[in-house]
Amino acid sequence: DQQVKQNSPSLSVQEGRISILNCDYTNSMFDYFLWYKKYPAEGPTFLISISSIKDKNEDGRFTVFLNKSAKHLSLHIVPSQPGDSAVYFCAASAIRGNEKLTFGTGTRLTIIP
Amino acid sequence: DAGVIQSPRHEVTEMGQEVTLRCKPISGHDYLFWYRQTMMRGLELLIYFNNNVPIDDSGMPEDRFSAKMPNASFSTLKIQPSEPRDSAVYFCASSSTAGGLRETQYFGPGTRLLVL
Repeated sequence: DQQVKQNSPSLSVQEGRISILNCDYTNSMFDYFLWYKKYPAEGPTFLISISSIKDKNEDGRFTVFLNKSAKHLSLHIVPSQPGDSAVYFCAASAIRGNEKLTFGTGTRLTIIP
Repeated sequence: DAGVIQSPRHEVTEMGQEVTLRCKPISGHDYLFWYRQTMMRGLELLIYFNNNVPIDDSGMPEDRFSAKMPNASFSTLKIQPSEPRDSAVYFCASSSTAGGLRETQYFGPGTRLLVL
């Protein structure tokens, strides 16, 4: 039972345009959400996070939006750059302080020069 | 800091053999996690430790899998006997409760396991 779902296995975006990666979750106890980025032959690296008390968090070109009623979050990358080509994982945790993360299956983003 | 260190980076073995994966967490981190990545299921948490004590092993697929953390700087994940369906990339990650973003986990480069 996938509690965190990334329904798009892949996404291609033109360089300079906006990339939007989506994530849905089913567990209403999740209160903290993260995005990780993974390059080939490397481990995932933390990108950005958001607490359930917020609906938006921004860090440079990266913005995460949270819609609690829809149990949906999205990652926006503006403008997209070739170095953004990677696999992006959405993750969630329940009850702040519980270190266990539940990950989605990932979305492979390809930025077209 | 060298980051999370995993060895070996690649492992090819035959069905039925024992496989041992190793991990050295970031110094000072008190949480250690073992994950498995497959195309179908993404990143699955297998087990995690806090201060060397296993906290949740509900993700361990079956009794063929075992994990230990004898001290704060070393952990092993063992598969005995290995099967072809165990082929995957296994990641170790660590995190700290000392401050900052508690849920930020730092991943090692992974061990790519192929069981023939």
